[in-house]
Amino acid sequence: AQSVTQPDIHITVSEGASLELRCNYSYGATPYLFWYVQSPGQGLQLLLKYFSGDTLVQGIKGFEAEFKRSQSSFNLRKPSVHWSDAAEYFCAVDQGGKLIFGQGTELSVKP
Amino acid sequence: KAGVTQTPRYLIKTRGQQVTLSCSPISGHRSVSWYQQTPGQGLQFLFEYFSETQRNKGNFPGRFSGRQFSNSRSEMNVSTLELGDSALYLCASSWTALDGYTFGSGTRLTVV
Repeated sequence: AQSVTQPDIHITVSEGASLELRCNYSYGATPYLFWYVQSPGQGLQLLLKYFSGDTLVQGIKGFEAEFKRSQSSFNLRKPSVHWSDAAEYFCAVDQGGKLIFGQGTELSVKP
Repeated sequence: KAGVTQTPRYLIKTRGQQVTLSCSPISGHRSVSWYQQTPGQGLQFLFEYFSETQRNKGNFPGRFSGRQFSNSRSEMNVSTLELGDSALYLCASSWTALDGYTFGSGTRLTVV
């Protein structure tokens, strides 16, 4: 069965520092991959998606992610974190119209 | 354009009761999916509807059901509520999978 693993439950970074959130997936074919962000009490907002082609994808709010088939990874990055980026981040793979989510990574930003 | 609208935002129900949640997708989106989010189990897929037909179903008991209307609006129903059904229920709509899924703000259900 397909699965998504986010190894880091909680990450704290300083404002202005770079960020990388890890995501590993288990999927037989070329996956449709997504990163979503969730603020407390809110729904999920799509940051970016990957289906095929260029393995480096750009998203909203200055985020990017790189698809690495050899490592089964789709890590999310941002060069400089802002305090407003504090939230929970979810990686997901599309299994035929059904999203399989990782456990989420909670990001805290310290001044 | 309007996003995905879920009503109500908050609900408190008593164990044993039933509840109906509503989701209005983005105009033109024909696929509507439902997810349950809890601290212990995370985000879990409930079901997906496309053009009034259930296309996918997750691993939930039969107490959880849904339907989709001709205008693509969807409802999910939970009967004989249990304490463990307390969760944030999220609805998502899409045009195609390649476009990604747009989520609503969710309905917070508390069962007491």
